[in-house]
Order: sequence, then C-alpha cells, then structure tokens
Amino acid sequence: SQQGEEDPQALSIQEGENATMNCSYKTSINNLQWYRQNSGRGLVHLILIRSNEREKHSGRLRVTLDTSKKSSSLLITASRAADTASYFCATDEDYSNYQLIWGAGTKLIIKP
Amino acid sequence: DSGVTQTPKHLITATGQRVTLRCSPRSGDLSVYWYQQSLDQGLQFLIHYYNGEERAKGNILERFSAQQFPDLHSELNLSSLELGDSALYFCASSASGVRDTQYFGPGTRLTVL
Repeated sequence: SQQGEEDPQALSIQEGENATMNCSYKTSINNLQWYRQNSGRGLVHLILIRSNEREKHSGRLRVTLDTSKKSSSLLITASRAADTASYFCATDEDYSNYQLIWGAGTKLIIKP
Repeated sequence: DSGVTQTPKHLITATGQRVTLRCSPRSGDLSVYWYQQSLDQGLQFLIHYYNGEERAKGNILERFSAQQFPDLHSELNLSSLELGDSALYFCASSASGVRDTQYFGPGTRLTVL
C-alpha cells in the first residue's frame, strides 16, 4: 500500500526542548496535513499547509513545506509532557483515488 | 470532542464471528473514511464513502464490507474474523473530499480471541 515516509520513527527529548519531525512524499500535492494521536485515541488534526505556502504557525507548532524537495517538517517548540504522542503527516497526492496518503508516524516522548 | 461518534468502544469476540461497527459523522460532513490500526502501527486506509457512494477502496479484505446510509451514518461489517483482525478501527469524516480536514472518532477496539 502507498505510504508517505516520516522520520525519525521515534524521538525522545527533555521537556522544554524543541522537537522536529519530517515527512516526505512522492508526487505533487495540493495540501499536506499533520495529525496527532495520543495513545489509543483518535487522531486530531493539527495543521494544514497548502502547496503554495512555505510556512505556517499555530501556537507552538511551526510547519514548513518544501515542494521542490517534496518534504515537510513539523517543529514543536518548548515541548511539554502533554505533547507525548504519535504524529502523522498526510497528503492528497493520491487525490484522484480519493484517499489521503499517510506517513508511518513519529512517536514523540517528552521526558520530564 | 470531534463530533464523530463510534460504537461500540470495545468489542471482544471469537474467531469466525461477524461484527458490525457503527459510525456517525460530524453534522454536515458528507465523507466517511474507515481505517484500521494494529498495535503500534500506522493507519491502514480501508474505504471512503461520499454521500452514500463508495469512492475509494484501500487495503480492505474481502471479508470486510461497508456502507453509508441515507442519513450518512456508516457501518463496517467484519466477517469470518481472524486473530489478526484484532485492531483499533477508526472512522473519520470530512466536509467533502480528501482535501478537507478529517475528524476522527474515538475508535472501536476489536479483540478477536
């Protein structure tokens, strides 16, 4: 099955540090979305960035998009214990098949 | 609260059985998606319905089927269950198509014994 790529697979940092995770995709997109999943729960939408945008902010979140490299990064600044979760990116590169392409996820652990 | 409801929350059943998972989308959303997530794995897309019509099929087994009813709620039917079907099953909805934000339900945890 198609799947986007995310790295790292897992990331463990101290509370207060910044966390960066990356997502790469294969073909052209209209938009890219980031979602968070707390353990065993449903995914929660964080941010959507369109292909004509290079950077977007939402609170402590900063998303960048580089369409020439077909990649995006999610930066969480001043991390908190509550940020411990898995983070997934999703693109509409398979728009014609009416499905999002999801990354495998980055598991983020914030140590107190 | 995403506005998407799923029932039941937990389901324990035996191999060979058949179960039905139910999803009510957010008010006004026309698209419903079903996903399977095995333990500590990523999301596997199963199927997408838009306003009652099937739009896309992903990695959905032939033993699984789904439908979306006129009131837009959806059901996922899993039959001849196997141990490997144990997973979290999520439903998500969006206003229209895949370019919209998807809102996820809390999931149904299926355990097949």
